[in-house]
Amino acid sequence: QTVVTQEPSFSVSPGGTVTLTCGLSSGSVSPSHYPSWYQQTPGQAPRALIYYTNSRSSGVPDRFSGSILGNKAALTITGAQADDESDYYCVLYMGSDVNWVFGGGTKLTVL
Amino acid sequence: EVQLVESGGGLVPPGGSLRLSCAASGFTFSTYTMNWVRQAPGKGPEWLSYINSRTGTIYYADSVKGRFTISTDNAKNSLYLQMNSLRADDTAVYYCARDFHYSFDHWGQGSLVTVSS
Repeated sequence: QTVVTQEPSFSVSPGGTVTLTCGLSSGSVSPSHYPSWYQQTPGQAPRALIYYTNSRSSGVPDRFSGSILGNKAALTITGAQADDESDYYCVLYMGSDVNWVFGGGTKLTVL
Repeated sequence: EVQLVESGGGLVPPGGSLRLSCAASGFTFSTYTMNWVRQAPGKGPEWLSYINSRTGTIYYADSVKGRFTISTDNAKNSLYLQMNSLRADDTAVYYCARDFHYSFDHWGQGSLVTVSS
């Protein structure tokens, strides 16, 4: 069974930089997994941030960036702001048998 | 402006059925592939199903295969999810989401489905 791993929680100071990661329980994340990232606040639908590993979705500020770091996908937030405090989910495309698998999410606190 | 609006959720007893709808506007619906994603209370999202109405390609997650059916009506710019044999662990907010380069670029506001006696 494919498990996508994320840090359960992370904290960052206002103005600081934080990198959240997205890995696989078995194997490495590569661009062929088409990593994408989503931000979700309580009671709201997820909002698309990053697709194709490092492409920003429409309207997403450039302080959000995506990459592959080692064997994981990564979301970096530069100059964190109070309203970045949210849950962040990554999704990996695992092929037509399994399709898309979400990570368990990272709860980001800005304080 | 792209808009996706789900409807049809509600309370249903175990073993029951429900049909969710997703009305799309602001884009050429027939040219996009679409998905259903759900999120159980306090949990992360779970991808459920994909449809490419031009090719007829459909995929399902193992958790709903054989019980749920995805479909579209391009004349009505609508996406549907027929859910049968519902179980307590199907309780969740159900979202429709537009597919964009192997990601989900637009989401509806969600429709709550509660399976309980």
